[in-house]
Amino acid sequence: AQTVTQSQPEMSVQEAETVTLSCTYDTSESDYYLFWYKQPPSRQMILVIRQEAYKQQNATENRFSVNFQKAAKSFSLKISDSQLGDAAMYFCAYRRAVAAGNKLTFGGGTRVLVKP
Amino acid sequence: EAGVTQSPTHLIKTRGQQATLRCSPISGHTSVYWYQQALGLGLQFLLWYDEGEERNRGNFPPRFSGRQFPNYSSELNVNALELEDSALYLCASSGWTGSENYGYTFGSGTRLTVV
Repeated sequence: AQTVTQSQPEMSVQEAETVTLSCTYDTSESDYYLFWYKQPPSRQMILVIRQEAYKQQNATENRFSVNFQKAAKSFSLKISDSQLGDAAMYFCAYRRAVAAGNKLTFGGGTRVLVKP
Repeated sequence: EAGVTQSPTHLIKTRGQQATLRCSPISGHTSVYWYQQALGLGLQFLLWYDEGEERNRGNFPPRFSGRQFPNYSSELNVNALELEDSALYLCASSGWTGSENYGYTFGSGTRLTVV
């Protein structure tokens, strides 16, 4: 079974600074998708960034970027120029690439605090 | 385009009662997923419905059940409620919509409180 581990329960960052969230996963699959989701106090899960395992290039979405290390099964998220609105729970998630409708497996989450 | 909608937003039930939660997916999405998020914990996979059929279920007892209707909306039923069933229940949908065939869109959840 696939597992996703986020070892940092909480991270604090100064506004405008950079913070990196860690995520490791375990799988025997060679093709899969990885995601970072943000959950603000409003509770809705918002997709931040995704990475296809077959792509070597790290995904980037504006201030958000990932460091995908397939051999190490590591998928970290870097938030640059942190803003107050970035404060939220962040979840790393894994999904097999076998079919479109397959479940996401989530890590336990990392709470990000942004200090003004 | 309307997102994934869940109702009710909040639900308070007494232990032993039944709860029914509802979810309407994004138009065109045929898969609906249910997740349980207990306080301070991550998301635990509950159920996956696609084209009206249950495709997969997580490690939850049979009193957690559901169904998917012909319009792809879904219900989650929790029977014989227990205090530990108190949680945020999130619904998500996905489907073959161009390049978004591997993405999920989540609703805002139903907060179930069992007293």
